[in-house]
Amino acid sequence: QSVLTQPPSVSAAPGQKVTISCSGSSSNIGNNYVSWYQQLPGTAPKLLIYDNNKRPSGIPDRFSGSKSGTSATLGITGLQTGDEADYYCGTWDSSLGGVFGGGTKLTVL
Amino acid sequence: QVQLQESGPGLVKPSQTLSLTCTVSGGSISSGDYYWSWIRQPPGKGLEWIGYIYYSGSTYYNPSLKSRVTISVDTSKNQFSLKLSSVTAADTAVYYCARATRTYYDYVWGSYHSVYFDYWGQGTLVTVSS
Repeated sequence: QSVLTQPPSVSAAPGQKVTISCSGSSSNIGNNYVSWYQQLPGTAPKLLIYDNNKRPSGIPDRFSGSKSGTSATLGITGLQTGDEADYYCGTWDSSLGGVFGGGTKLTVL
Repeated sequence: QVQLQESGPGLVKPSQTLSLTCTVSGGSISSGDYYWSWIRQPPGKGLEWIGYIYYSGSTYYNPSLKSRVTISVDTSKNQFSLKLSSVTAADTAVYYCARATRTYYDYVWGSYHSVYFDYWGQGTLVTVSS
């Protein structure tokens, strides 16, 4: 059981928008910054969002992040078939150290 | 461009010690700006943070693994290593090394940690089996 809770799967059609939620508590998301990672099949995770809503160089602005209270959300607009992947949220927990969500599988129909 | 590469045995017997090394290129471990991390992913499951080390040797471990984990650094070789003792089948996973940026923000309204992993190795599968 992961410390951060994500939906197991989400789906949407090409060109549409999808959001992925990440729920935690005051010991993690509520008092620390959130990051998001994309893991394409058979590859290592890739940083998409850090500090709740910042994108590393090279990440398109179709990807966005937000945080409110003890929850965070990843948004992806203009969905492409190449976006099919597992997405993970991560943050720091005051007792546990680094923690991740269980992952969400995105299917582009 | 920073690159990380894991190396080590792909098969470890139960009760033995798993040992992996991560070689960093394109940047110096001794720069002091980053923490050097180990993260694992059991087959078909999610990510689990194992711990990280600063170039000075300071370490931070996942409490659930702390009794079995040792992370060390060799700045002369630009490498850091993981040892996990008394392994069982539950330790079978892809093991990733990664670079972590860790910042502490102290605002009037509160204090916050920012920890994120911006560069990852390709990962290495370690199977625990007799």
